[in-house]
Amino acid sequence: KNEVEQSPQNLTAQEGEFITINCSYSVGISALHWLQQHPGGGIVSLFMLSSGKKKHGRLIATINIQEKHSSLHITASHPRDSAVYICAVRPTTGNQFYFGTGTSLTVIP
Amino acid sequence: NAGVTQTPKFRILKIGQSMTLQCTQDMNHNYMYWYRQDPGMGLKLIYYSVGAGITDKGEVPNGYNVSRSTTEDFPLRLELAAPSQTSVYFCASRLRGQGLNTEAFFGQGTRLTVV
Repeated sequence: KNEVEQSPQNLTAQEGEFITINCSYSVGISALHWLQQHPGGGIVSLFMLSSGKKKHGRLIATINIQEKHSSLHITASHPRDSAVYICAVRPTTGNQFYFGTGTSLTVIP
Repeated sequence: NAGVTQTPKFRILKIGQSMTLQCTQDMNHNYMYWYRQDPGMGLKLIYYSVGAGITDKGEVPNGYNVSRSTTEDFPLRLELAAPSQTSVYFCASRLRGQGLNTEAFFGQGTRLTVV
């Protein structure tokens, strides 16, 4: 059983569409990260959040601690948003992270 | 500010060869991590360190060794390369604690193939 589950695994969208990626986790956490990985590329941290909502440009991340759930939204999606999006949580105990398997997003022009 | 730097970016090894994957960070982060990423799987923790001189095993440490002689550097050593170690390796770092300044930073990855 994975501590972090993401859905969907794969997502194809038309340019301009609103996109939602979901993350559910089963452990108590001190923080949750949304990460972005372009094909063949490194991993970039988009957000770290422990409550509420954060927004950077067209990206919005929300978290509901009681429900152990987070969502990543992309407004007005663009082909350059095509990447794998990974949810990672930092448990309240221990020093490591648990990672989801990622959501592969393709945005078609 | 370079962040987390990994070298090399790509490497092909023959079975039984050894190599060291280098990782260095210039953010004075206490915690450093090595992960491997296999297709369709989440990142798996190999080793981590909470400070210079301290290292600990993660989920998948077999076949690897690490050292942390300085705050900046956290090299990962493969002694006898095996095909099962073909993977993409990521180094990460963060500050100790729970605050907003403890965001994790990742390197660009090392793509290793063992043939």
